Amino acid sequence: DAKTTQPNSMESNEEEPVHLPCNHSTISGTDYIHWYRQLPSQGPEYVIHGLTSNVNNRMASLAIAEDRKSSTLILHRATLRDAAVYYCILRRGGGAQKLVFGQGTRLTINP
Amino acid sequence: NAGVTQTPKFRVLKTGQSMTLLCAQDMNHEYMYWYRQDPGMGLRLIHYSVGEGTTAKGEVPDGYNVSRLKKQNFLLGLESAAPSQTSVYFCASSWKLGEGEKLFFGSGTQLSVL
Repeated sequence: DAKTTQPNSMESNEEEPVHLPCNHSTISGTDYIHWYRQLPSQGPEYVIHGLTSNVNNRMASLAIAEDRKSSTLILHRATLRDAAVYYCILRRGGGAQKLVFGQGTRLTINP
Repeated sequence: NAGVTQTPKFRVLKTGQSMTLLCAQDMNHEYMYWYRQDPGMGLRLIHYSVGEGTTAKGEVPDGYNVSRLKKQNFLLGLESAAPSQTSVYFCASSWKLGEGEKLFFGSGTQLSVL
């Protein structure tokens, strides 16, 4: 199974943009890139996903490299409520594939 | 919207005791999952179900059993609890296991086995 690599932790300031990187150099053509986040003492929640093109939703943007070996989750204007662990996960299309969570990136937001 | 509800939220067991964790979803989802999360680690899949009456093993199934008698419920059982099963347990559900399908998670059950 293709793996992802994320920094263990990142820090940013409130109201500034945050770029969370993810490397997935062994990604296959049918792997979708999913992002989830886990707020303290809560279950994970879906953030965004994509295959090849950049994606935007109300929570974040996902920028995918042209060779798909890396991606970046962008929080445009971080708030204190965005402090969480962010997981980058590859999910294979075309059949049953369970999500495999790594250790993620712990994001700290400074007021 | 209740979403995914887990009961109980906290439980303390003695080694060798048994218990059942209940997960209920009101979104008419076909797929349901049980994960465990140990301190400082990501989630690991225990068992999952692709529909009523079906179950399948995940990454760490040993020591656990599951049942999906009704579409909306997914039960996780520990027949003889061990300290190594001290963890936070999360249930999740989804429409299907398609490439873009997202999972909805419950708020977790904190289980301590003494």
